[in-house]
Amino acid sequence: QVQLVQSGAEVKKPGASVKVSCKASGYTFTSYGISWVRQAPGQGLEWMGWISAYNGNTNYAQKLQGRVTMTTDTSTSTAYMELRSLRSDDTAVYYCARARVAVAVPNFDYWGQGTLVTVSS
Amino acid sequence: QSALTQPASVSGSPGQSITISCTGTSSDVGGYNYVSWYQQHPGKAPKLMIYEVSNRPSGVPDRFSGSKSGNTASLTISGLQAEDEADYYCSSYTSSSHVVFGGGTKLTVL
Repeated sequence: QVQLVQSGAEVKKPGASVKVSCKASGYTFTSYGISWVRQAPGQGLEWMGWISAYNGNTNYAQKLQGRVTMTTDTSTSTAYMELRSLRSDDTAVYYCARARVAVAVPNFDYWGQGTLVTVSS
Repeated sequence: QSALTQPASVSGSPGQSITISCTGTSSDVGGYNYVSWYQQHPGKAPKLMIYEVSNRPSGVPDRFSGSKSGNTASLTISGLQAEDEADYYCSSYTSSSHVVFGGGTKLTVL
């Protein structure tokens, strides 16, 4: 069965970086992409970006350009999302979701369990 | 990219039907047949309920249906059940090759 298992909760200070992992199983990793979506406490969903696990192409949300990097390791079927220069409003649950391989359409059929990132001094 | 517009809340009694609207622009909802709907229960990850406007993934009850007219997409749930109480989010592909979500709608089953 398809599973996306994310790394554990993180507490970071403002200005630091965080790297969240998302290990996929149950399907051919390179036949799909991964999108990252975050949800601040009590708020709605926010799309952060997408990466193709086939060729590494990426597409990032405008507001995160320059602060976010998404990568994949096909040898371990793992996707990573790194967010730098953290601010308090980056406090959120971060989700990875399986996506189409060639384009960032919102057909997110499987989701990870979420990783809480808390940014606090 | 502005978020898609959804009503903050809707409600209905068991057995009734409700519709949640999702309004965007010609650069997102109106321009592409890539509108999806997600259900999210408290403390859980979102679940895909509808993709590409009106398609249901395997395992989603046929009580859930989707449609689109112009710049507005809609999710209809017929035969409301208690377990349908959740937050619902629409999302769309955009002309910038990005994805945008709606603000979310809280469904209360009375």
